[in-house]
Amino acid sequence: DTEVTQTPKHLVMGMTNKKSLKCEQHMGHRAMYWYKQKAKKPPELMFVYSYEKLSINESVPSRFSPECPNSSLLNLHLHALQPEDSALYLCASSQDLGSAYEQYFGPGTRLTVT
Amino acid sequence: AQSVTQLDSHVSVSEGTPVLLRCNYSSSYSPSLFWYVQHPNKGLQLLLKYTSAATLVKGINGFEAEFKKSETSFHLTKPSAHMSDAAEYFCVVSDRVEYGNKLVFGAGTILRVKS
Repeated sequence: DTEVTQTPKHLVMGMTNKKSLKCEQHMGHRAMYWYKQKAKKPPELMFVYSYEKLSINESVPSRFSPECPNSSLLNLHLHALQPEDSALYLCASSQDLGSAYEQYFGPGTRLTVT
Repeated sequence: AQSVTQLDSHVSVSEGTPVLLRCNYSSSYSPSLFWYVQHPNKGLQLLLKYTSAATLVKGINGFEAEFKKSETSFHLTKPSAHMSDAAEYFCVVSDRVEYGNKLVFGAGTILRVKS
């Protein structure tokens, strides 16, 4: 099973709301990632977790807060977002952080900030 | 740092004709290269990967890619296009960074298949 699941599929939120995105994988992968993808652009890396610890934050604003409660689950907490944060948010996982390990992507959450 | 350049932003083919999506890479060491496909409003699906084994890599759905070190290329091909192949395709290289590896994406090529 090479599936990464993400919920919700779609999310509309106001600028004062607090919401969370959820990502889950049951492949035993030890690395998990959050990406942001704007229309007609490739994905941009936001965060990397390895063995449930945050390895990299790609200078992401603090209104995005990641959390890795266990090795299968990755959350992205959202607070006080701006309209320009509207995008497709993709989660991915890989066996480890080595270069030979491909990343498996979830279907994404389409976020609209009003 | 590693990089990839996808030479065409849009490619249009007729159903049943061959597909060629071009990708050049820049790497100071033997790279790991990937092709991903993204259908509209979907996540990315791995088509194939190269990690210094056979230079001709076969992927899913009839796609294959050939790693050519002398030309620093990793072009994606398919003998016969199907309507369901219409999507955006990303050529990706894995770049070594301090914490491990980071995927570096090309700008993408949108493939249109005409009936």
